[in-house]
Amino acid sequence: KAGVTQTPRYLIKTRGQQVTLSCSPISGHRSVSWYQQTPGQGLQFLFEYFSETQRNKGNFPGRFSGRQFSNSRSEMNVSTLELGDSALYLCASSWTEGPYEQYFGPGTRLTVT
Amino acid sequence: QQQVKQSPQSLIVQKGGISIINCAYENTAFDYFPWYQQFPGKGPALLIAIRPDVSEKKEGRFTISFNKSAKQFSLHIMDSQPGDSATYFCAASSGSRLTFGEGTQLTVNP
Repeated sequence: KAGVTQTPRYLIKTRGQQVTLSCSPISGHRSVSWYQQTPGQGLQFLFEYFSETQRNKGNFPGRFSGRQFSNSRSEMNVSTLELGDSALYLCASSWTEGPYEQYFGPGTRLTVT
Repeated sequence: QQQVKQSPQSLIVQKGGISIINCAYENTAFDYFPWYQQFPGKGPALLIAIRPDVSEKKEGRFTISFNKSAKQFSLHIMDSQPGDSATYFCAASSGSRLTFGEGTQLTVNP
């Protein structure tokens, strides 16, 4: 079974631009969560989607948003990029919502200049 | 109350030795405790996980010990190998939201 895939793997953007990242979960998984990883703040939860609905949201500004499609694929969008948004953005999938095993993708490395 | 504290920040072990990483939490609502292993340039990989109704879980060379009353849990890596050199994260969740520890950089010397 294929793992979680994320595209693109690397991205360079300029301050003020917006960016969209994509995540395809493991086949059969219906829950997708997004995390931001930085050297200073570690791994932080952004939001979780299940059945196309946002179920949970972390403490990030409204510039960070996401959505999930009927095939469970998910996208996250960051508008008006700031230098501090440079990070590894990780997507994790689980078969359902709740405290179950989450499997991470390789991440998208976003650099904001 | 949502924090998970992890120690040590870095750990150096000789090949064949035991690596021990500790985590502590405050939120008693946490009901799922996974450990992840991350290599440079890769996403975290699920190693092993435990629920609070069990005090110990072993999978191969990896063992989680869980102390519910102390709100602490630890990862033991037996017979540590150079290939185990990576960053290890503990985490806790109630629901789908994982709260991660700060990470431990493990180096296993040959």
